[in-house]
Amino acid sequence: GQNIDQPTEMTATEGAIVQINCTYQTSGFNGLFWYQQHAGEAPTFLSYNVLDGLEEKGRFSSFLSRSKGYSYLLLKELQMKDSASYLCAVETDSWGKFQFGAGTQVVVTP
Amino acid sequence: DGGITQSPKYLFRKEGQNVTLSCEQNLNHDAMYWYRQDPGQGLRLIYYSQIVNDFQKGDIAEGYSVSREKKESFPLTVTSAQKNPTAFYLCASSIDLGAAQPQHFGDGTRLSIL
Repeated sequence: GQNIDQPTEMTATEGAIVQINCTYQTSGFNGLFWYQQHAGEAPTFLSYNVLDGLEEKGRFSSFLSRSKGYSYLLLKELQMKDSASYLCAVETDSWGKFQFGAGTQVVVTP
Repeated sequence: DGGITQSPKYLFRKEGQNVTLSCEQNLNHDAMYWYRQDPGQGLRLIYYSQIVNDFQKGDIAEGYSVSREKKESFPLTVTSAQKNPTAFYLCASSIDLGAAQPQHFGDGTRLSIL
């Protein structure tokens, strides 16, 4: 079956760094996406990885290792507005079919 | 401003009733999707559509139906056959079904049973 695992919750201090891990076992792999979702709002796209390695986008970076079925999202210089749920999603064996993790709730404290 | 509009934001359904959730996009995207989000669980794909007049079942299509008569619109009907319809429903779109296409999401509709 399909399985995507993320920690349920992480807490960090404003200005710090947090790393959100995502491990996946899926029937196919066409890429991995990270989304941010504030409570009661729409998820918004953060990053995409299809090849192994690190993708950097400002304060956010995402890493992928396909052989290990592993990705992480790195949030640097945390701000209060970064308090949200972060969703890991894998595009599986056919275009348009995504499996989502349950999300990691990040709480940023002053 | 381009985007995806879902309506209503909150919807209440009586037992045995069908209800239809609206999703409209003005992004000129070909692909559209419906997801269900339950507490503590990831988004689960209900239906998706690559082009007008074509749609495919996702992982949890039972008890739901869709139509795609116009490019901009992808309404979802929650039928009385769906035994546990209380959830947060999210509509999304992407340019097409090709690789590396991020999805743009609407603000969701929260459905509850009276």
